[in-house]
Amino acid sequence: NAGVTQTPKFQVLKTGQSMTLQCAQDMNHEYMSWYRQDPGMGLRLIHYSVGAGITDQGEVPNGYNVSRSTTEDFPLRLLSAAPSQTSVYFCASSYRAAPGNTIYFGEGSWLTVV
Amino acid sequence: QQQVKQSPQSLIVQKGGISIINCAYENTAFDYFPWYQQFPGKGPALLIAIRPDVSEKKEGRFTISFNKSAKQFSLHIMDSQPGDSATYFCAGSWGKLQFGAGTQVVVTP
Repeated sequence: NAGVTQTPKFQVLKTGQSMTLQCAQDMNHEYMSWYRQDPGMGLRLIHYSVGAGITDQGEVPNGYNVSRSTTEDFPLRLLSAAPSQTSVYFCASSYRAAPGNTIYFGEGSWLTVV
Repeated sequence: QQQVKQSPQSLIVQKGGISIINCAYENTAFDYFPWYQQFPGKGPALLIAIRPDVSEKKEGRFTISFNKSAKQFSLHIMDSQPGDSATYFCAGSWGKLQFGAGTQVVVTP
């Protein structure tokens, strides 16, 4: 059972480039989300989805785009990378977006923007 | 602004000692309070969680104490072991998680 799979694990981008972080889960979870983790800031919610075709913004959505065409996949797109987007990105999923549902995280994607 | 304030930022404890991490929250809509444990290079994983109608929850060496009136909760790690060395995050949830800034715990042999 793979759980939540993120690719790539590491990426270096130049300012202005675009890229997509991939996320897939094999647990048939309705809820998927993207977080970024920065020192001293904890994890902050970027975007989330409560089901295929439904997405919404989190705390820090600017500069990022998402789509949810299938239950399994939830890619995160950086439209025009900036050094401020250097961070560790985590994809997460849970059965439902309700309190008490365990949220499972992927292993992270380390992104550096130069 | 962070709706969940976590302290300390880091702590060092000797093997066998007690680690205590404190969190305070502002959002009274939170109705689920999980703690996550994160090892270097890995994603966070659920450690233990509590609902606000319970004042304490214990799972093995890990205990959450919850004070609803003060809007505070804490994690106690009893008999701390070197394998407990990790970063711990508290969070509040009303469907979406709001995380604290994290506490790096180092347990020395």
